[in-house]
Amino acid sequence: AQTVTQSQPEMSVQEAETVTLSCTYDTSENNYYLFWYKQPPSRQMILVIRQEAYKQQNATENRFSVNFQKAAKSFSLKISDSQLGDTAMYFCAFVVKAAGNKLTFGGGTRVLVKP
Amino acid sequence: DAGVIQSPRHEVTEMGQEVTLRCKPISGHDYLFWYRQTMMRGLELLIYFNNNVPIDDSGMPEDRFSAKMPNASFSTLKIQPSEPRDSAVYFCASRPLAGTSVPEQFFGPGTRLTVL
Repeated sequence: AQTVTQSQPEMSVQEAETVTLSCTYDTSENNYYLFWYKQPPSRQMILVIRQEAYKQQNATENRFSVNFQKAAKSFSLKISDSQLGDTAMYFCAFVVKAAGNKLTFGGGTRVLVKP
Repeated sequence: DAGVIQSPRHEVTEMGQEVTLRCKPISGHDYLFWYRQTMMRGLELLIYFNNNVPIDDSGMPEDRFSAKMPNASFSTLKIQPSEPRDSAVYFCASRPLAGTSVPEQFFGPGTRLTVL
């Protein structure tokens, strides 16, 4: 079975500072995709960043970047220059290509950006 | 593009009533997914369709839940009869045929269901 673990239920960060969210996953497959989704209070699920497992280069989207360690099955998200609008729940998720379309989500990390 | 559209955004009903949630996927997307989000269980995939055909409904909790996709632009998730433990946020998501690209799913705004 595929599992995703986010060990930090909640984190707070000062505006303009950096915060890193951890995510580990478990799969025996080799071909899969990883995602971070953001869920603000509006509850809309917004894709933040994605990573293809066969790519060694870490993905970056503006202030968001990942540290993908395939051997360790780790996929952490770094938010740089945190802004008040980054306050949200963040979910790590992955899908195994062979398993079709089943996105497996972690339990989420609540991020609070303080002014 | 309007994105995935869900209605209603909020639904309050009484135990035993029938509830129907609606979803319009992004035009041209081949896959449609229904998820449920609760504090206890997080985000769970209930069922997904490919080209209007249900592919995997193993996440549907019990027979009280049913989903249909009569055409490429509309899907419903029905609960009959509803129970208080069905209270949750229900998301619909869609995605195009992946091919060689990343299978990103696009989520709707969700329907918050409260069963009294």
